[in-house]
Amino acid sequence: DTGVSQDPRHKITKRGQNVTFRCDPISEHNRLYWYRQTLGQGPEFLTYFQNEAQLEKSRLLSDRFSAERPKGSFSTLEIQRTEQGDSAMYLCASSLGQWGQPQHFGDGTRLSIL
Amino acid sequence: AQTVTQSQPEMSVQEAETVTLSCTYDTSENNYYLFWYKQPPSRQMILVIRQEAYKQQNATENRFSVNFQKAAKSFSLKISDSQLGDTAMYFCASLTGANSKLTFGKGITLSVRP
Repeated sequence: DTGVSQDPRHKITKRGQNVTFRCDPISEHNRLYWYRQTLGQGPEFLTYFQNEAQLEKSRLLSDRFSAERPKGSFSTLEIQRTEQGDSAMYLCASSLGQWGQPQHFGDGTRLSIL
Repeated sequence: AQTVTQSQPEMSVQEAETVTLSCTYDTSENNYYLFWYKQPPSRQMILVIRQEAYKQQNATENRFSVNFQKAAKSFSLKISDSQLGDTAMYFCASLTGANSKLTFGKGITLSVRP
């Protein structure tokens, strides 16, 4: 069990640029989640996948955000035309498919917008 | 909508002593799970303990135990024999609904003093 892996750990970019983050879940986990965490707050749900299907998106996920999980394994989260308010830690988590299974988190990707 | 409230922003405890972290939640669901997660300064979120709402028995994991009061919608975490490595932010979270998204509280910063 290698755990949930996220890349990069830290991304610094200028306002208006596009960024893409990657998440590799624990191999046998078919559910994958993205959360956003701002300083001093708890994580907020963004979206989740069951295998390759994206089953729910939060209203926090504006049309500048898109997430994919093309083969039901790794996932990418892209932010287009970044804004100052996008600065946050983006956390990925995965779990087994049965309801109530605990979610295992990665180290996160910290996004800083200049 | 689900809400999780952690009203204490920070707490401090002497090493080897016991500390209790408070959490209240609100849900209209009959069945749900509650969690405590720990986030050390390295930022990876780690599961501490899980409680199923339909189980009356309080969950325990080594030095960690919960006091689950379903009628009061209260879910506190007790840490016994506190260790320096327990220093972290602790988040209370609820899980309801088929999509299994977690709703987090704002967290509490726990400092263990040597």
